[in-house]
Amino acid sequence: EAQVTQNPRYLITVTGKKLTVTCSQNMNHEYMSWYRQDPGLGLRQIYYSMNVEVTDKGDVPEGYKVSRKEKRNFPLILESPSPNQTSLYFCASSFPQGPQHFGDGTRLSIL
Amino acid sequence: GNSVTQMEGPVTLSEEAFLTINCTYTATGYPSLFWYVQYPGEGLQLLLKATKADDKGSNKGFEATYRKETTSFHLEKGSVQVSDSAVYFCALRNTNTGNQFYFGTGTSLTVIP
Repeated sequence: EAQVTQNPRYLITVTGKKLTVTCSQNMNHEYMSWYRQDPGLGLRQIYYSMNVEVTDKGDVPEGYKVSRKEKRNFPLILESPSPNQTSLYFCASSFPQGPQHFGDGTRLSIL
Repeated sequence: GNSVTQMEGPVTLSEEAFLTINCTYTATGYPSLFWYVQYPGEGLQLLLKATKADDKGSNKGFEATYRKETTSFHLEKGSVQVSDSAVYFCALRNTNTGNQFYFGTGTSLTVIP
């Protein structure tokens, strides 16, 4: 089954404790991206990647890192999480000119 | 630059009512346009798309027409059901300017029996 898989689905953690949210897709998509969804703000792009070893900042990259060492994986790293990064996060992937496929989301709470 | 503007919600309709959710965009060239739907507790799912002017995307009774002259891509459905209750996002993708996606803020729809 074609899918984008995010883990974990839920995480409660504390300020400053490094965390990684994994994202994996099995559709051989070149393009992958991370979004955060906050009430009243819709979806805002954090980082995106056009292909392996090619990443770029989206609209709200501060406090986040990403890497794209393999085509299928695009982890999101919060080196020193803060409460303002409490949000619902989505990973998505696509071919260069196609629609995006989304994961089921990761709800992060940072205390 | 590129941007998408959707009508503010929330929208509440009775079952079998007609639905319109307005979406307008700003972009250079000819972007592809999409509607996504997000059901409670789930990720976004592609509802329909249109890749060039005057294209009509359709799926599950929903329709949207790519109108270049009015830079619009309004979502319509003739008769909504309770199961259509969800948040709807309009989006564009512009291969002329970096190939990123741009989303509207979403419109919440509640259909009551």
